Amino acid sequence: GNSVTQMEGPVTLSEEAFLTINCTYTATGYPSLFWYVQYPGEGLQLLLKATKADDKGSNKGFEATYRKETTSFHLEKGSVQVSDSAVYFCALSSARGGGNKLTFGTGTQLKVEL
Amino acid sequence: EPEVTQTPSHQVTQMGQEVILRCVPISNHLYFYWYRQILGQKVEFLVSFYNNEISEKSEIFDDRFSVERPDGSNFTLKIRSTKLEDSAMYFCASTKTTQGDQPQHFGDGTRLSIL
Repeated sequence: GNSVTQMEGPVTLSEEAFLTINCTYTATGYPSLFWYVQYPGEGLQLLLKATKADDKGSNKGFEATYRKETTSFHLEKGSVQVSDSAVYFCALSSARGGGNKLTFGTGTQLKVEL
Repeated sequence: EPEVTQTPSHQVTQMGQEVILRCVPISNHLYFYWYRQILGQKVEFLVSFYNNEISEKSEIFDDRFSVERPDGSNFTLKIRSTKLEDSAMYFCASTKTTQGDQPQHFGDGTRLSIL
């Protein structure tokens, strides 16, 4: 079955540091890949997505590239801010008739300090 | 921007009782989902629903669980005979289609506490 593996957290960085959160996946077929973010006390918000190999998703300074050869979708940001502190979830979907469930990683908590 | 809304934000229920969690998906969406997140753990798929039928369900979604779209706007998750291990955050989500590139839109969740 499908699975997503993320690096464990928490990850603690100083403001303006470079961020990488690793994500690898196992899936049949050609899944779409997503990063969701969960701020404290809130629900899941889509951060970015990529739907085919070599696609790069980007949003709010975050980027991730769909690497089929390494089955990876690592999240990066060049300069983090305190406001980026949240839990980040890597997820994949494999559409099937009548449904399109998401398979999530365990989430990585990011703490950004001044 | 349209949102998925969930009520209540926090539900406390005695073990063995029934609970209903409510969701209002985005109005032109056709596919609906429930997920749960036990504290500190990953988000897990429970069920998907389309055209008034369950499309797919996980092992977690046993016969104590049911879903319903009672009218044109609400989508509910009912849990009968609740157990302590049902305590979790429950998220509702919706999409317009089931194309794999379509992101799911999530509500803010209902925190369910079973005592």
